[in-house]
Amino acid sequence: DTGVSQNPRHKITKRGQNVTFRCDPISEHNRLYWYRQTLGQGPEFLTYFQNEAQLEKSRLLSDRFSAERPKGSFSTLEIQRTEQGDSAMYLCASSLSPRRPNTGELFFGEGSRLTVL
Amino acid sequence: AQSVTQLDSQVPVFEEAPVELRCNYSSSVSVYLFWYVQYPNQGLQLLLKYLSGSTLVKGINGFEAEFNKSQTSFHVRKPSVHISDTAEYFCAVSLNFGNEKLTFGTGTRLTIIP
Repeated sequence: DTGVSQNPRHKITKRGQNVTFRCDPISEHNRLYWYRQTLGQGPEFLTYFQNEAQLEKSRLLSDRFSAERPKGSFSTLEIQRTEQGDSAMYLCASSLSPRRPNTGELFFGEGSRLTVL
Repeated sequence: AQSVTQLDSQVPVFEEAPVELRCNYSSSVSVYLFWYVQYPNQGLQLLLKYLSGSTLVKGINGFEAEFNKSQTSFHVRKPSVHISDTAEYFCAVSLNFGNEKLTFGTGTRLTIIP
């Protein structure tokens, strides 16, 4: 399978614990994105990387959230001191840089579902 | 800031009947428009997109959409649906050509009735 891979697929944790999600993008893609999706809502943008540089962060990404992409390959999203409001599906996507006329289609993984008890 | 409205949260349709899923957006500047589909237990997949040019765009699996600037709409339709079209459909907009930051609607769950 050469698509976007996310691990773990499901994570149940107690409030206050730290969790980390990993995303492996499509190998030739230099851009990587994190989105969050809560029940009944569409995905919300969190942050994105071009290679190893984190170019934009949403205000949704509080200080408890940190994302990294060392060496411009896989990425991790860590949530410290989890709260019940962090319960959501965390989606990762990757793409090539856009080059007109193509925008650089986003390819999404299946997501990592977090449940905070 | 831009926003996306999908008024229909659920749409049940009989197999082989036509369907239209509605999407309206709000933005003070030009936008790029997308529809994504999420089949059960799969990741989001691009269904179709409007960047510029012809306002009628075709996508995968027989879907097409029309960009209407005056009505700020981007409805998607299919003339005859199949059981395999059962999925959640999301409309999204981007201000950036590279669609780095998509704003999604809340989704429409399409259920095909045999």
